[in-house]
Amino acid sequence: AQSVTQPDIHITVSEGASLELRCNYSYGATPYLFWYVQSPGQGLQLLLKYFSGDTLVQGIKGFEAEFKRSQSSFNLRKPSVHWSDAAEYFCAVDITSGGSYIPTFGRGTSLIVHP
Amino acid sequence: DAGVTQSPTHLIKTRGQQVTLRCSPKSGHDTVSWYQQALGQGPQFIFQYYEEEERQRGNFPDRFSGHQFPNYSSELNVNALLLGDSALYLCASSERTGIGTEAFFGQGTRLTVV
Repeated sequence: AQSVTQPDIHITVSEGASLELRCNYSYGATPYLFWYVQSPGQGLQLLLKYFSGDTLVQGIKGFEAEFKRSQSSFNLRKPSVHWSDAAEYFCAVDITSGGSYIPTFGRGTSLIVHP
Repeated sequence: DAGVTQSPTHLIKTRGQQVTLRCSPKSGHDTVSWYQQALGQGPQFIFQYYEEEERQRGNFPDRFSGHQFPNYSSELNVNALLLGDSALYLCASSERTGIGTEAFFGQGTRLTVV
């Protein structure tokens, strides 16, 4: 079945430190992958997306993600975390359903940033 | 551009009651999807509307129903509410869905069933 796994429920980093959030997917064809961020009490905001081409994708707010087909991964990274990055992060993959494409989300990783 | 707007922002209902949640899509978008996000979980797809018809449906019972109006706005109705229906309900709009179509999300409606 097509799915997304985020193995880390919580990640704690110090402000200024680097960040990597893990995402593994299960999909038979070329996946279309997304990272979303959700601040407390808010909806989801798209950080970046991968369709094809360059496997290193740049997004908003200084985030990037690297698609690695051999590892079925699409990990999110940021070189220096700010306190305002504390939020819930969701990886998603487009799955095909009756001719439509429905984003399917992982359970999320909660990022905690220490001053 | 107001983006995707949802109303109300919060709602408290009693078990067995019925509830209607509303969503106005982003300007230029004609497809609306609804998601349920339980506490500590990722959003779960409920259904998607396009051209005033339900096009896709996730694994939710018939108690969950919806509607899309000619102006593309949408409603989510839940009948016979259960305690387990307590969640954040998210509406997302997009142009007619295609592979990799970006969905824009509203802030959600927090439903509490007591």
